[in-house]
Amino acid sequence: AQKVTQAQTEISVVEKEDVTLDCVYETRDTTYYLFWYKQPPSGELVFLIRRNSFDEQNEISGRYSWNFQKSTSSFNFTITASQVVDSAVYFCALKGGTGNQFYFGTGTSLTVIP
Amino acid sequence: EPEVTQTPSHQVTQMGQEVILRCVPISNHLYFYWYRQILGQKVEFLVSFYNNEISEKSEIFDDQFSVERPDGSNFTLKIRSTKLEDSAMYFCAWVGRPSYEQYFGPGTRLTVT
Repeated sequence: AQKVTQAQTEISVVEKEDVTLDCVYETRDTTYYLFWYKQPPSGELVFLIRRNSFDEQNEISGRYSWNFQKSTSSFNFTITASQVVDSAVYFCALKGGTGNQFYFGTGTSLTVIP
Repeated sequence: EPEVTQTPSHQVTQMGQEVILRCVPISNHLYFYWYRQILGQKVEFLVSFYNNEISEKSEIFDDQFSVERPDGSNFTLKIRSTKLEDSAMYFCAWVGRPSYEQYFGPGTRLTVT
């Protein structure tokens, strides 16, 4: 079975603080793909990153960084020096190596307070 | 990533009516998907479409739903007899070469009254 758990429903931080959004996944596939999406108040879903299961290198893109740990089945997302524009719902998603279905977590609503 | 359009952006319909939601993808897209998101909830997979056929569908995608790519360009989702609980945002999505990353259209908000 494929499953994504985002245990943090809502997080509030003050601007310029760092914040980490947790994502834990379950899959029996040996090859799989992990994703993060941002959904701002306007409603669109914005692709942020894809990570393949065979590539455990962490990634940094500007103020965003992702920590992929296969040993704990986690793919956490950190925003450094948060800004008000980071306020959004963030979804973690999983696609197995077989099948085309993407499985989404329930999302974490991040509010950055100025 | 080139922009994909979804029409209409907002549709209001009465219970029991048929609705057709449209997505206009780009030619190099490989797989197409429909998802729905009930307000405030998670994004739920409905169906994936490859080579003009359904390749996978979820339990939500029952006989009330159908997908087509009638003219090789538009990708449509039809709901035959809408129910109140069909009110949601419907997103079309696609995976294309070479990145195999999934991108979403802007969505159609469906309101069933």
